[in-house]
Amino acid sequence: GNSVTQMEGPVTLSEEAFLTINCTYTATGYPSLFWYVQYPGEGLQLLLKATKADDKGSNKGFEATYRKETTSFHLEKGSVQVSDSAVYFCALSLMEYGNKLVFGAGTILRVKS
Amino acid sequence: DTAVSQTPKYLVTQMGNDKSIKCEQNLGHDTMYWYKQDSKKFLKIMFSYNNKELIINETVPNRFSPKSPDKAHLNLHINSLELGDSAVYFCASSPQGLTKIEQFFGPGTRLTVL
Repeated sequence: GNSVTQMEGPVTLSEEAFLTINCTYTATGYPSLFWYVQYPGEGLQLLLKATKADDKGSNKGFEATYRKETTSFHLEKGSVQVSDSAVYFCALSLMEYGNKLVFGAGTILRVKS
Repeated sequence: DTAVSQTPKYLVTQMGNDKSIKCEQNLGHDTMYWYKQDSKKFLKIMFSYNNKELIINETVPNRFSPKSPDKAHLNLHINSLELGDSAVYFCASSPQGLTKIEQFFGPGTRLTVL
């Protein structure tokens, strides 16, 4: 089946620390990959995406590279801010499954000043 | 505002009642979705409609019935509410096309069943 596994949280960092949130996937086809972010009390916002192998998605200082050989899409940021505190979801979608999003369990990020 | 909107934002009700959640998008998208987020933040697809036609129906109790009067609206009706239905329900929409895969989410409806 299709599934996404991401590292458990919460992840607690100090401001300006380096962030990595690991994400791996299994898929029956060639998926598109996403990172969504959910700030407290809000809906989901697309953070970045990649649609084919070796694509790098980037936004607001966050980056993730689609690695087909390791079936991974790890999220990184060089210097986190308190305002980055949120829940981060890795997800995949497949055209043959109506483009429904299959989400990982989410990783809570807490950034301390 | 250009967005996906949901009403109500909060819904508190008793077990056994019937309730509806409404979703509207003014993005001109063809496809709409309902997702359920449980108390552990886990998100799972429930339904998807494309141009008013049901295309995804996951393993959801038939107490849940989606209705799409037009492609800009996808409502969710829930009969005989149970405690386990308590969750946040998110509506989303996306344009049609092989490369237009991004989904835009509404703010969510927090349903509490007492």
